[in-house]
Amino acid sequence: DAKTTQPNSMESNEEEPVHLPCNHSTISGTDYIHWYRQLPSQGPEYVIHGLTSNVNNRMASLAIAEDRKSSTLILHRATLRDAAVYYCILHRHNTDKLIFGTGTRLQVFP
Amino acid sequence: GAVVSQHPSRVICKSGTSVKIECRSLDFQATTMFWYRQFPKQSLMLMATSNEGSKATYEQGVEKDKFLINHASLTLSTLTVTSAHPEDSSFYICSARDILDTNYGYTFGSGTRLTVV
Repeated sequence: DAKTTQPNSMESNEEEPVHLPCNHSTISGTDYIHWYRQLPSQGPEYVIHGLTSNVNNRMASLAIAEDRKSSTLILHRATLRDAAVYYCILHRHNTDKLIFGTGTRLQVFP
Repeated sequence: GAVVSQHPSRVICKSGTSVKIECRSLDFQATTMFWYRQFPKQSLMLMATSNEGSKATYEQGVEKDKFLINHASLTLSTLTVTSAHPEDSSFYICSARDILDTNYGYTFGSGTRLTVV
């Protein structure tokens, strides 16, 4: 499985935008980029996913580099409820498994 | 979006006993479900892939005789931790994906915190 690299932790203030980076230099053409987040003592929650083009949904935006070797999850206005561990995962199209890396712990300050 | 229900959310059992955890897809059918284990302050580790109507596929290092998986219907998978020991205490999480909704990712249950005493 292609690996991703994320910073261990990041901090933000409430109502500010947050850009969570992810490097995936060994990504293959059929790998989708998935983002999930996990709040304490809960199962992960789907955030967004994409293949080549940037994606937007009600939770976040996903910006994918032109060479697809990196991506950025964008939370437009962080809230205290966005404090969580964010996982960037490469999902190969012809497999079902999601393999989690270590993720980025996001702290949001009031 | 899709909902996965996991039960129980919390269980305490005595060493040597078995514990069954249920994972249900509430509003979609899932031919495949996944079981993860998570220790404190660590990431999720995939244990096995549960396949409806056939044997589960276990990840390397996971004992299939200890972690029994049954996927008898398109909406239910169960994980039984047999002869549990304190080192099996962990947070167990299941997930599934609605294959008919490719605009969405995987849905996870809320997890089961197992404590073996």
